[in-house]
Amino acid sequence: GAGVSQSPRYKVAKRGQDVALRCDPISGHVSLFWYQQALGQGPEFLTYFQNEAQLDKSGLPSDRFFAERPEGSVSTLKIQRTQQEDSAVYLCASSPVGAFSTDTQYFGPGTRLTVL
Amino acid sequence: DAKTTQPPSMDCAEGRAANLPCNHSTISGNEYVYWYRQIHSQGPQYIIHGLKNNETNEMASLIITEDRKSSTLILPHATLRDTAVYYCIVRASYGGSQGNLIFGKGTKLSVKP
Repeated sequence: GAGVSQSPRYKVAKRGQDVALRCDPISGHVSLFWYQQALGQGPEFLTYFQNEAQLDKSGLPSDRFFAERPEGSVSTLKIQRTQQEDSAVYLCASSPVGAFSTDTQYFGPGTRLTVL
Repeated sequence: DAKTTQPPSMDCAEGRAANLPCNHSTISGNEYVYWYRQIHSQGPQYIIHGLKNNETNEMASLIITEDRKSSTLILPHATLRDTAVYYCIVRASYGGSQGNLIFGKGTKLSVKP
């Protein structure tokens, strides 16, 4: 079956531009996570959705970062006024049920964002 | 901060077993040990997880010490396609955490011909 997909795979933005990154989770998956991975580092948690509810956004680095999942399926991570330090790979993961479990998280391939 | 300690890199000969160690001396009773790997330019991939007992699946075996302070991931017959960064993660099954994974820097495993 189809896995988690993300688009675009690569994005180049000029400093100050707004960007929107899309995640299509596995159909029917309740939980959705966004992670940020800087070069040479492990992924770091950004935010978590259970269906359409954003239950945890403690990892978002600034108020320029905004995520939504309005119908409980597709999610969009938006970054306003991009800065060079936002350059990273943004990973999306989904899991079948709520986070209070030992569910496996299934990751997408990521979007590599480069801010010039 | 990650609750685990792993060597930064390891080499393994193709066809041999790869044994990747992980220390998690502060693990709590309700925390599982998870292993993920990340092949270059791909998202992390789940390998295996366990609580107390040793676990085996089609990809690997997980050996957890009796005191649960360390574990070893075993790839029984490593192939070149197993070259990746391997992450050991401890994660609570309930309460407090929303279930997000806390990655460290992992171990870069290089399988050589």
